[in-house]
Amino acid sequence: DTEVTQTPKHLVMGMTNKKSLKCEQHMGHRAMYWYKQKAKKPPELMFVYSYEKLSINESVPSRFSPECPNSSLLNLHLHALQPEDSALYLCASSQGTGDRPYTFGSGTRLTVV
Amino acid sequence: SQQGEEDPQALSIQEGENATMNCSYKTSINNLQWYRQNSGRGLVHLILIRSNEREKHSGRLRVTLDTSKKSSSLLITASRAADTASYFCATDLGAQKLVFGQGTRLTINP
Repeated sequence: DTEVTQTPKHLVMGMTNKKSLKCEQHMGHRAMYWYKQKAKKPPELMFVYSYEKLSINESVPSRFSPECPNSSLLNLHLHALQPEDSALYLCASSQGTGDRPYTFGSGTRLTVV
Repeated sequence: SQQGEEDPQALSIQEGENATMNCSYKTSINNLQWYRQNSGRGLVHLILIRSNEREKHSGRLRVTLDTSKKSSSLLITASRAADTASYFCATDLGAQKLVFGQGTRLTINP
């Protein structure tokens, strides 16, 4: 299995809702990432998990809460989001060491209404 | 913060022509990677070039890296309609930090 699987593909949520994005990989990668991408912009790093521990938080607002239950799974819990949080959320994984490429999922298109 | 600047922001060429995209960055890197993105979906890894390498080839792709000028270029030869996409360079800063450039939107006209 050489894929990163993200669910759901599309999500519409209200500003008072709580929802979660899910990401799964079975490549034995030890680093997993959340990126946020606005339209016609590059992906921006949000969080990095290395060996199931949070290693980087790029000053992301607390309404985004990451979780890594095990080495294959990564979640992003969403609460009290704002319309400006609408974006494509991309999950990625990598070996975590050495010069290795990242494998990206196809993303979750999030719309906050 | 983004450290990569890509040039041009948009490029439109005829099928069969070559396409060249450039990327500049600001800090020291472990490696530089190029990714393709179709229609705002997931990114696909194209090629990785290490900081001690100067040129790398993969099929119709040729990447160069000049660490003294902090710049890289991606050449796609004999372009096809299926190459229409956005192309991003990404710099590996170490400690699992991969930062993307602004991207080039490439359109191949039949």
